[in-house]
Amino acid sequence: NAGVMQNPRHLVRRRGQEARLRCSPMKGHSHVYWYRQLPEEGLKFMVYLQKENIIDESGMPKERFSAEFPKEGPSILRIQQVVRGDSAAYFCASSPVWGDTQYFGPGTRLTVL
Amino acid sequence: SQQGEEDPQALSIQEGENATMNCSYKTSINNLQWYRQNSGRGLVHLILIRSNEREKHSGRLRVTLDTSKKSSSLLITASRAADTASYFCATDNSRQLTFGSGTQLTVLP
Repeated sequence: NAGVMQNPRHLVRRRGQEARLRCSPMKGHSHVYWYRQLPEEGLKFMVYLQKENIIDESGMPKERFSAEFPKEGPSILRIQQVVRGDSAAYFCASSPVWGDTQYFGPGTRLTVL
Repeated sequence: SQQGEEDPQALSIQEGENATMNCSYKTSINNLQWYRQNSGRGLVHLILIRSNEREKHSGRLRVTLDTSKKSSSLLITASRAADTASYFCATDNSRQLTFGSGTQLTVLP
């Protein structure tokens, strides 16, 4: 049973470009969570999604950031018009049911030049 | 503000010694989880302890939870150099995990 998969593992973008981060949850998991980790800090919650629904987006910046988890395919975290402050590691986690253990992917390290 | 705060921020011990890390939190929780992160890598789930549990074991790991004091501790016994990593506690309100800033553990050979 493959774990949570994220791609790309590393992404370099110039200021103003768009970044798309993908997350495939573990098989059988329908709950997906996105977290951001700045250097030397802990992870900060961004958004919690179930298939086709955003359950909690209280950690998402109001502008430029969006997330989706379509019926088919991976969850996507999209950052429009990236700025240097968006440089961070973005982690996705999944769980089989609400309130259960969250299993993390290896992360995508975004660098904005 | 941080929900979980680990203490100490950094800990350096000799191989074979025990390592204890503490975590304090502010609000009520459904469960508390401990994770490990090696430098530049993803998080590895170590153990989950539910709010109605007081102690849990997994191999060389022992976790305690005191909901009256809103605190938890992670004990790693007989540490190994491979245990060198950052350790995070995360409180779970069933919608999201709230992480502390972590304890950096270094185990010297």
